[in-house]
Amino acid sequence: GDSVTQMEGPVTLSEEAFLTINCTYTATGYPSLFWYVQYPGEGLQLLLKATKADDKGSNKGFEATYRKETTSFHLEKGSVQVSDSAVYFCAPRGEYGNKLVFGAGTILRVKS
Amino acid sequence: DAGVTQSPTHLIKTRGQQVTLRCSPKSGHDTVSWYQQALGQGPQFIFQYYEEEERQRGNFPDRFSGHQFPNYSSELNVNALLLGDSALYLCASSLIGGGTDTQYFGPGTRLTVL
Repeated sequence: GDSVTQMEGPVTLSEEAFLTINCTYTATGYPSLFWYVQYPGEGLQLLLKATKADDKGSNKGFEATYRKETTSFHLEKGSVQVSDSAVYFCAPRGEYGNKLVFGAGTILRVKS
Repeated sequence: DAGVTQSPTHLIKTRGQQVTLRCSPKSGHDTVSWYQQALGQGPQFIFQYYEEEERQRGNFPDRFSGHQFPNYSSELNVNALLLGDSALYLCASSLIGGGTDTQYFGPGTRLTVL
């Protein structure tokens, strides 16, 4: 079945540091790829998405590129802020299915 | 533009009881998916409803059932509650055929089973 592997956290960074959260996936057919963010006590918010190879999703300074050859969708941000502290989930959705597949997520902590 | 709404926010039940959770999709959306998120874990897909039918189901027992109404809102029912059913239940809505069928999540219902 479809699956996703994210780097284990927590990831602790100082404010203005560069962020990378690695994500690799297995999925049927040609999946769409998503990053969601969850702040404490809240639901999931869509951060960005990409639907075909080499597409770059971007939002609020975050970016991720759909790499079909390496089945990866790594999340990056050039300069993190304390307000970026949250749990980040990478989620593929298989071409022939309707469900998002989540891993355990990566906790990000940003110190001022 | 109202987003996905869920009710109630919190719920406390005892083992063996039954519970109903409710979800209203984002305006213009016709599909509702339900996920269970245990503490410290990622969400797990329960099922998806479209045109008032269950379209796909995850690996959950028959104690978990759902319904979608003509106005696209949805309910999740869980019978014979177990301690392990304690979790955050998330509803997500999307539009079938709307490009990527991107799912937008509600704030969730926190269920505690004692």
